[in-house]
Amino acid sequence: QKEVEQNSGPLSVPEGAIASLNCTYSDRGSQSFFWYRQYSGKSPELIMFIYSNGDKEDGRFTAQLNKASQYVSLLIRDSQPSDSATYLCAVNVGAAGNKLTFGGGTRVLVKP
Amino acid sequence: DAMVIQNPRYQVTQFGKPVTLSCSQTLNHNVMYWYQQKSSQAPKLLFHYYDKDFNNEADTPDNFQSRRPNTSFCFLDIRSPGLGDAAMYLCATSRRTGGPGRFGQPQHFGDGTRLSIL
Repeated sequence: QKEVEQNSGPLSVPEGAIASLNCTYSDRGSQSFFWYRQYSGKSPELIMFIYSNGDKEDGRFTAQLNKASQYVSLLIRDSQPSDSATYLCAVNVGAAGNKLTFGGGTRVLVKP
Repeated sequence: DAMVIQNPRYQVTQFGKPVTLSCSQTLNHNVMYWYQQKSSQAPKLLFHYYDKDFNNEADTPDNFQSRRPNTSFCFLDIRSPGLGDAAMYLCATSRRTGGPGRFGQPQHFGDGTRLSIL
């Protein structure tokens, strides 16, 4: 069983719509959750991180965390063609919490 | 701007010929990581340094080695590259977490080095 799972997509959304991405994780001890955006051929770029249950908003992005159900989601409001990328969910693992385990990523396509 | 810099951006080497990739950071972060990422796959952690303490992943091949001569620099050495080692190699840094049970810190990535094997 994979430790961090994401739907690989592609998730196709029209420009201006909301893109909803989900991520589930297996380690109940995880406390830190990160979303990265990765354009093709580029390195991952940190978008948001969340530690507490509930919602965290930053501009057009909202991260949602539910530890009881072991899932974290990312909403992208007013999606733009420039949001077309792969979105990686990462969860901290290990006793010291330094290491991240990444999901396989969800590819998002925003169509004009 | 504080950043993570990887050199070179593209590296071509011959099968079996040793290669070294470098990473430097101006963020003054305690922790440095090396990841391997193949096409359409998640980044895979190879090893990380917590200050000078080296932490190897159990499934990292012996062919991969690393050095961290000081806080700012970290190197990835591939002793005898095989065709399966062709990938993007990513360096990342983070602050220390503060210990067990504490929240993990965000990792900041360099632009990566794309390694090709002839």
